[in-house]
Amino acid sequence: DQQVKQNSPSLSVQEGRISILNCDYTNSMFDYFLWYKKYPAEGPTFLISISSIKDKNEDGRFTVFLNKSAKHLSLHIVPSQPGDSAVYFCAARGNSGGSNYKLTFGKGTLLTVNP
Amino acid sequence: DGGITQSPKYLFRKEGQNVTLSCEQNLNHDAMYWYRQDPGQGLRLIYYSQIVNDFQKGDIAEGYSVSREKKESFPLTVTSAQKNPTAFYLCASTVPGGGYGYTFGSGTRLTVV
Repeated sequence: DQQVKQNSPSLSVQEGRISILNCDYTNSMFDYFLWYKKYPAEGPTFLISISSIKDKNEDGRFTVFLNKSAKHLSLHIVPSQPGDSAVYFCAARGNSGGSNYKLTFGKGTLLTVNP
Repeated sequence: DGGITQSPKYLFRKEGQNVTLSCEQNLNHDAMYWYRQDPGQGLRLIYYSQIVNDFQKGDIAEGYSVSREKKESFPLTVTSAQKNPTAFYLCASTVPGGGYGYTFGSGTRLTVV
């Protein structure tokens, strides 16, 4: 049962345009959401996050939007640059018992930004 | 410079052999995790440990074993019982009770030959 879903395996955009990556979740107990960026043969690196009590968080070219009622979040990259080409993972934080938390990841979306 | 070191970067294993992947961190993080990445599968949790001498199974623990004898180290053994061990393995750590964000290692590519 996939609790975090990224339904688009890939996305291609032109340099300078907006990239929108989407993520849906099913577990209403998730309280924190993160986006990670991953290049081939490297570990993921943290990009941006949002608490469930907010609906928007912005960091430079990256903005994450959260719609709790729809259980949906999206990552906007404006403007997109060729260096943004990577796999983007959506992740959600849940409680695995007591004070223990763990992240559940989506399957990722491969973003390609064309010059 | 603090971080997570995974070794080796590439590992080849013959069928029927056990192999151990190393993960060391100097971030003073209590919690450590092992994930497996397959094409189109995203990151799937194998095992995690919140404190020394304690660990829990993740979603795909069968065929794997771990130990947590030291705070800094969380080695993963891929046993011969793991049917499809060829994958990219990622180790991560975070602060206690965290999950606000993991720090990941650079990964180990395991190939069965």
